[in-house]
Amino acid sequence: DIQMTQSPSSLSASVGDRVTITCRASQTISPFLNWYQQKSGKAPKLLIYLTSTLQSGVPSRFSGSGSGTDFTLTISNLQPDDFATYYCHQGYSLPQTFGQGTRVAIK
Amino acid sequence: QLHLQESGPGPVKPSQTLSLTCTVSGGSRTSEGYYWSWVRQRPGEGLEWIGYIYYSGDTYYNPSLKSRLSISVDTFKSQFSLKLNSVTAADTAVYYCATYYDINNYYRYFDSWGQGTLVTVSS
Repeated sequence: DIQMTQSPSSLSASVGDRVTITCRASQTISPFLNWYQQKSGKAPKLLIYLTSTLQSGVPSRFSGSGSGTDFTLTISNLQPDDFATYYCHQGYSLPQTFGQGTRVAIK
Repeated sequence: QLHLQESGPGPVKPSQTLSLTCTVSGGSRTSEGYYWSWVRQRPGEGLEWIGYIYYSGDTYYNPSLKSRLSISVDTFKSQFSLKLNSVTAADTAVYYCATYYDINNYYRYFDSWGQGTLVTVSS
């Protein structure tokens, strides 16, 4: 199985901050890396697919980048609605696997 | 946008079978490239892919659950189902149904999710 490791596990930030979350895969998975946002008690929501393509309706302050085994989710100008847990996910091979999540909390 | 809704009988006793159904509405149930999926999340933990089924009936299971797992689809009813047998407390989780999009071995993401249903395994 491909292991997905996110860092940090949690972070505190203020509205307006720029936040970066990283995801490292145990083997190359390009370009099949996706990012999801999950709010407490809700289902995950697709933010970015194929490393850097923004899902329809997702604000442009979210962006993704990376290649090979190392990927990044960046939230520029953090908004109150962005406080949530973020998961990376690889669709490169079965079984599909997710990172352990990064919780973004209010400072 | 598809709407998915999980349903099930509620708590399950250890060693019994966990059964869930996902009802899909708002779109074609046999669209090319869509795999009908199950994902679970243990309390306070991350997401775990359980498995999925194509409308043709082809199934793909997580090896960690494969020996206990069965996923089926009823396209006429716009439903797909999960059965997990010999459950233990470790199977207590929120179970989500979702659609996974993969066409021509490209894209490969979960784009629609049900709201999730908590299944508790307890005697």
